[in-house]
Amino acid sequence: DTAVSQTPKYLVTQMGNDKSIKCEQNLGHDTMYWYKQDSKKFLKIMFSYNNKELIINETVPNRFSPKSPDKAHLNLHINSLELGDSAVYFCASSQVGGNEKLFFGSGTQLSVL
Amino acid sequence: SQQGEEDPQALSIQEGENATMNCSYKTSINNLQWYRQNSGRGLVHLILIRSNEREKHSGRLRVTLDTSKKSSSLLITASRAADTASYFCATASGAGSYQLTFGKGTKLSVIP
Repeated sequence: DTAVSQTPKYLVTQMGNDKSIKCEQNLGHDTMYWYKQDSKKFLKIMFSYNNKELIINETVPNRFSPKSPDKAHLNLHINSLELGDSAVYFCASSQVGGNEKLFFGSGTQLSVL
Repeated sequence: SQQGEEDPQALSIQEGENATMNCSYKTSINNLQWYRQNSGRGLVHLILIRSNEREKHSGRLRVTLDTSKKSSSLLITASRAADTASYFCATASGAGSYQLTFGKGTKLSVIP
């Protein structure tokens, strides 16, 4: 069983559309994250949730809205997609906070045309 | 904000050689972690070293941490073609921190 799974793996869409990426972890972790990796491989945190509560919300446009229905799921909804949103988005989880190791999903490659 | 900076950006070696990657950071940390990312895949945790530790080993990996110089190194001994990947350092700062700050990575190519 995959520990952290995210879907879809690839997402190709037109500018202006709304899309969602789903993430689920079966590790029993309390904390989940969304990271964005740009074309230069730079990985930047977007959001962090602990027990369904938003902990970190970095400087991310409010077109990005995370939703955590329970502590095993953290979905990312993106409104009005822009060309600059093209990137690979990674979901991750950890036992406690960021002071412990992260388990990453395999990523969602988003291409906005 | 970016915390870790890996050096070199890219490294190409022959199979069997050792590979050394360095990471420098700016602020005090609780721990420093190294991750590997194979092409098209997610990051995989390799090793965590706490701020009060100086050296740690895991299999063919050796990590050192020098908090006075705010730097760390990752040594992979007897490299294999399967070690070809990007390697990232990440720092955890602040009590109860909920984020790791990643560097830009070192792309390692091991030539068979």
